[in-house]
Amino acid sequence: QVQLQQSGPGLVKPSQTLSLTCAISGDSVSSNIAAWVWFRQSPSRGLEWLGRTYYRSTWYSEYALSVKSRITINPDTSKNQFSLQLNSVTPEDTALYFCARWRGSDGIDIWGQGTVVTVSS
Amino acid sequence: DIVMTQSPDSLAVSLGERATINCKSSQSVLYSSNNKNYLAWYQQKPGQSPKLLIYWASTRESGVPDRFSGSGSGTDFTLTISSLQAEDVAVYYCHQYYSNPYTFGQGTNLEIK
Repeated sequence: QVQLQQSGPGLVKPSQTLSLTCAISGDSVSSNIAAWVWFRQSPSRGLEWLGRTYYRSTWYSEYALSVKSRITINPDTSKNQFSLQLNSVTPEDTALYFCARWRGSDGIDIWGQGTVVTVSS
Repeated sequence: DIVMTQSPDSLAVSLGERATINCKSSQSVLYSSNNKNYLAWYQQKPGQSPKLLIYWASTRESGVPDRFSGSGSGTDFTLTISSLQAEDVAVYYCHQYYSNPYTFGQGTNLEIK
């Protein structure tokens, strides 16, 4: 049974870096089938895809243009987890953040529990 | 960006009755090389993460009750709940995974009448 466990601070100051981690159990971050994804959800933006990382003989990352200059999603094979870093945050980055598994090329079938992140001084 | 527009925004249906949610994409999400629509449906209950219901527009995820079905192709899609149960109260989202950025509809809030 695949599970994702999110961790990270719930409060970040403006201009600083938001950092979240998603620990994987029951699957591998180096899977040749899955991709590992970050989303966020807010009343103003709805559900928003931020980016993903995946392994297909080498590592790939893909990001939404809206955050591309500020975001990094990295795998950590030693801990079987992946992380989200979002730089230079503003109050508009306040949201509920989810990590998830994108299974093959069909659906996003496993989700983390969500982490509320507030950007405020 | 592909814009996903759902209708209605909210819907109240009696128990046992049919619920229908529509989703329209601003451009086709049908990939011609494999004839698959890159469209999924998710259910989100209060305080929970989204749950995958349907992918490839009409393929039901394992374990999802068969009262849930998806249809449509190209730019117009429908999620149908054939006989509404109390546990189906939730917000439903369509999602295109045809092109980056992979966008969602605004959500349809389904309630019991």
